[in-house]
Amino acid sequence: GQQVMQIPQYQHVQEGEDFTTYCNSSTTLSNIQWYKQRPGGHPVFLIQLVKSGEVKKQKRLTFQFGEAKKNSSLHITATQTTDVGTYFCAAPYNQGGKLIFGQGTELSVKP
Amino acid sequence: SAVISQKPSRDICQRGTSLTIQCQVDSQVTMMFWYRQQPGQSLTLIATANQGSEATYESGFVIDKFPISRPNLTFSTLTVSNMSPEDSSIYLCSVATHLRRDYNEQFFGPGTRLTVL
Repeated sequence: GQQVMQIPQYQHVQEGEDFTTYCNSSTTLSNIQWYKQRPGGHPVFLIQLVKSGEVKKQKRLTFQFGEAKKNSSLHITATQTTDVGTYFCAAPYNQGGKLIFGQGTELSVKP
Repeated sequence: SAVISQKPSRDICQRGTSLTIQCQVDSQVTMMFWYRQQPGQSLTLIATANQGSEATYESGFVIDKFPISRPNLTFSTLTVSNMSPEDSSIYLCSVATHLRRDYNEQFFGPGTRLTVL
């Protein structure tokens, strides 16, 4: 079945360092979504990418969708302690609005 | 967006018993989903809750174990039946307010943390 692979599983950074998580699929995706889950919280939608090669920015966060629409990345510049949490990519599969989630990347930031 | 509440927020249950989790949305929504998130793991879709008809289950999940109701467009329940310790997990409901290709993000409830002894 369809899978969305996400790496790395964990990332520990010093505050101020950059962070990147990657998401890959073996099949072409219609879109890709990114969610953030704070410790003890629930996933919160961050952004959706639809177009080939699309790049979107939210303050220090930069999201990219590959030209072949099979991969995506989330890059955080100059991490802060508020960035702590697990970042998930998610892609639609089959029909009916269902999503398949990547394994997630847990980010910890040392002040 | 949508505001979603879940009850209970957490529970500790004995094996062999059942627990019903409620999900309430503040507006009518197109799609409602139930997920399971085991400790330190990603989200796994259990089923799509269909209004007025039987839920659509994903591979590995069956109606006898996880019966779901959705009587209207703002409410759904998930029952975890005949529980065992392996059912200890966080159960999340989510909704999608649109199904457009470029606009179909999901909004999640706060989750129900279930511990089975």
